[in-house]
Amino acid sequence: GEDVEQSLFLSVREGDSSVINCTYTDSSSTYLYWYKQEPGAGLQLLTYIFSNMDMKQDQRLTVLLNKKDKHLSLRIADTQTGDSAIYFCAESGPAGNTPLVFGKGTRLSVIA
Amino acid sequence: EAGVAQSPRYKIIEKRQSVAFWCNPISGHATLYWYQQILGQGPKLLIQFQNNGVVDDSQLPKDRFSAERLKGVDSTLKIQPAKLEDSAVYLCASSLRRQGAIDEQFFGPGTRLTVL
Repeated sequence: GEDVEQSLFLSVREGDSSVINCTYTDSSSTYLYWYKQEPGAGLQLLTYIFSNMDMKQDQRLTVLLNKKDKHLSLRIADTQTGDSAIYFCAESGPAGNTPLVFGKGTRLSVIA
Repeated sequence: EAGVAQSPRYKIIEKRQSVAFWCNPISGHATLYWYQQILGQGPKLLIQFQNNGVVDDSQLPKDRFSAERLKGVDSTLKIQPAKLEDSAVYLCASSLRRQGAIDEQFFGPGTRLTVL
């Protein structure tokens, strides 16, 4: 069955880089996503990567995908206090036509 | 552009009572999702609508949960009767769902349900 695993907590100092890791099980996933959830708010799509790519960069965000190991990571450069939130990894099915399956989320705490 | 609206934001009920949540998706979004997010977990899909038809309700506990999307716009999710384990945040999301493209889902702020 589908399962997405993430570490639960990460603490970094302001200005450092953060790396959040995720493993997934569905090798047919077409897209893999990173969502951000701030306290009391819904989820916001941060970035995504198509399964035939191995890297995607978007300003301070870098997504790395290792399809062989089914491993996805999100790197946030120059982490700021406003980046403190819960980050969810999610996978979709073939052609993106199945519901998203989310991990449990990684709580990122940024220390000033 | 207005986002996904949900109400109420908070609800406290006793077990065995009934409760209903309302969602208004982004205008023009054909696909609507209801997720349940238990504390410390990621969102789990309950039901997915495409216009006013159900696409996937395989994880909806149909003995107590029901949902409808009349006229293919607003949606309501009902729990009757509620159990303690239903305490969670209920998130509504909507998307354009274009074939072959990413399904960017836009989430509402959620309704936090506490069952006592």
